Amino acid sequence: DAKTTQPNSMESNEEEPVHLPCNHSTISGTDYIHWYRQLPSQGPEYVIHGLTSNVNNRMASLAIAEDRKSSTLILHRATLRDAAVYYCILRDGGGADGLTFGKGTHLIIQP
Amino acid sequence: DAGVTQSPTHLIKTRGQQVTLRCSPKSGHDTVSWYQQALGQGPQFIFQYYEEEERQRGNFPDRFSGHQFPNYSSELNVNALLLGDSALYLCASSFRVSRGETQYFGPGTRLLVL
Repeated sequence: DAKTTQPNSMESNEEEPVHLPCNHSTISGTDYIHWYRQLPSQGPEYVIHGLTSNVNNRMASLAIAEDRKSSTLILHRATLRDAAVYYCILRDGGGADGLTFGKGTHLIIQP
Repeated sequence: DAGVTQSPTHLIKTRGQQVTLRCSPKSGHDTVSWYQQALGQGPQFIFQYYEEEERQRGNFPDRFSGHQFPNYSSELNVNALLLGDSALYLCASSFRVSRGETQYFGPGTRLLVL
């Protein structure tokens, strides 16, 4: 799996949108962009994934740059329960292999 | 529908001992992956089991071994424990055939080696 780069930490206020960036300049044409998050004292949980087009689900939105070398996870209205470590992971489209986690971004939400 | 379950939740061992951790996958899933997460780090992939065979392995020594049973549950065994094996061990399950499938993680087993 190709490498991703994320900020170590970010801080936001409750009920405001949060934009979490991820750079993946060496992404290949078949790599999907996956996001997982890990709440304190829990295992990681899936958030969203996409290939080329922007994606929305009940948890978040994923905006993918046109050249696919970067992406942004968007939490539209952060709550205290969104405080977690967020991981951006590239995964080959046909792959069922293990995930390669980096250190992720520690998101801090201020009340 | 129960999610991924792991046992035990916590474990304390001494150097040189052996440990077995257990995982039951989410209903309908046939693939189990194991990860090690040291404090302050992201999870590191150990290996993956599918159809009762090890299909892929990360950069971990042979002291780490596993097994998958016909009901898809899995065990992780670690022999000759070292202090550095102290970590959170996570199990994740998935349905292998699905393209770009999501992995569902359990809460983990926290192992402390003294």
